[in-house]
Amino acid sequence: GESVGLHLPTLSVQEGDNSIINCAYSNSASDYFIWYKQESGKGPQFIIDIRSNMDKRQGQRVTVLLNKTVKHLSLQIAATQPGDSAVYFCAENAGGTSYGKLTFGQGTILTVHP
Amino acid sequence: KAGVTQTPRYLIKTRGQQVTLSCSPISGHRSVSWYQQTPGQGLQFLFEYFSETQRNKGNFPGRFSGRQFSNSRSEMNVSTLELGDSALYLCASSLIGQGSGYTFGSGTRLTVV
Repeated sequence: GESVGLHLPTLSVQEGDNSIINCAYSNSASDYFIWYKQESGKGPQFIIDIRSNMDKRQGQRVTVLLNKTVKHLSLQIAATQPGDSAVYFCAENAGGTSYGKLTFGQGTILTVHP
Repeated sequence: KAGVTQTPRYLIKTRGQQVTLSCSPISGHRSVSWYQQTPGQGLQFLFEYFSETQRNKGNFPGRFSGRQFSNSRSEMNVSTLELGDSALYLCASSLIGQGSGYTFGSGTRLTVV
């Protein structure tokens, strides 16, 4: 049914801590998984992606883990900084004829305290 | 290189009016997708255009339409505006509209009063 409103999960951390943001996805046919960061007044900004044939991928200060068995995706941010404060979204694309279509999770609000 | 440009940034319209939003993709990107973002429903896919053809469409009423020009710029139109159409409208461009290489614009904030 329709949701009345989204209540975004929140994560509050201290500067320098490691952050882990989780996401459950629903489509077992999804081929690409992407993490986006959205700051106030801006569009989603690409952080890192992972393809379905991988289970881990690392970037600069970020790591994405994919567990296809339980349809779970996580984003780990090392040494979190105040500039990392934003809403984080996971997104999936099924590939094939799903042209241009990303299915987004509800998002998680990350707040980093100095 | 220049990013995805959306104009205007803000719009206020009255119920029943129509509105046109514009999106200029990254140079060389031929696919443009549109999304609606609201606090209640999150980010939802509207449609995708590639080489002036709509290839994919989300679950929105026919009041929402779009088009793409030969230079890959895209417009979306909402007719007979309703209060519930108030949202941030985002476009994303990519080379071919597959995979993970989508770059988003900053959006157009539409308020319907």
